Amino acid sequence: QLQLQESGPGLVKPSETLSLTCTVSGGSISSSSYYWGWIRQPPGKGLEWIGNVYYSGTTYYNPSLKSRLTISVDTSKNQFSLKLSSMTAADTAVYYCARPIGTFYSIFDYWGQGILVTVSS
Amino acid sequence: QSALTQPASVSGSPGQSITISCTGTTSDIGGYNYVSWYQQHPGKAPKLIIYDVTKWPSGVSNRFSGSKSGNTASLTISGLQAEDEADYYCSSYRSTSTVEFGGGTKLTVL
Repeated sequence: QLQLQESGPGLVKPSETLSLTCTVSGGSISSSSYYWGWIRQPPGKGLEWIGNVYYSGTTYYNPSLKSRLTISVDTSKNQFSLKLSSMTAADTAVYYCARPIGTFYSIFDYWGQGILVTVSS
Repeated sequence: QSALTQPASVSGSPGQSITISCTGTTSDIGGYNYVSWYQQHPGKAPKLIIYDVTKWPSGVSNRFSGSKSGNTASLTISGLQAEDEADYYCSSYRSTSTVEFGGGTKLTVL
């Protein structure tokens, strides 16, 4: 059974860079069939797609975050990561890692439990 | 503001059927059959319940069904049960190689 687990800080200061890691177990992140993705949810609000990454490093980003965003893969650790710079209060959210599947990798079938990240000084 | 529009809330009594709509554009819902629906209970991660407009992932009840007409997709839940009370989100592939989510609909089982 595939499992995903987010890790990282729960509190980030304004203007700092958020770094989150998703550890994949029960399957190889290097599988040629899959991308890996990040989605976030501000408290009490809806879901927002952040971006997807292939094990080779190919990425697709939400245009609204692209200038601040880097998603990468570490195949040796079976992990993928998110870095979001210039954090503001508007970036406070539960961040989920997930596995996107389908023709255009837009269907998320496995999700991590999520990690709440609060931006505050 | 989400690119896909859903009603903020719907409600129904046990045993009834309800439908949640999700309206987009020709660049997403109207242009592709890649609409998905997710169920989210409080404090939990979303769960995929419908993909490719009408398909069920393994283990999902067939009380959930999806459809699409033009730029609007719909999720129907038949035989409402108390455990169906949750938030529901639609999503779609968009022509810009991105993924859009709806704003979510809170389902209340009366």
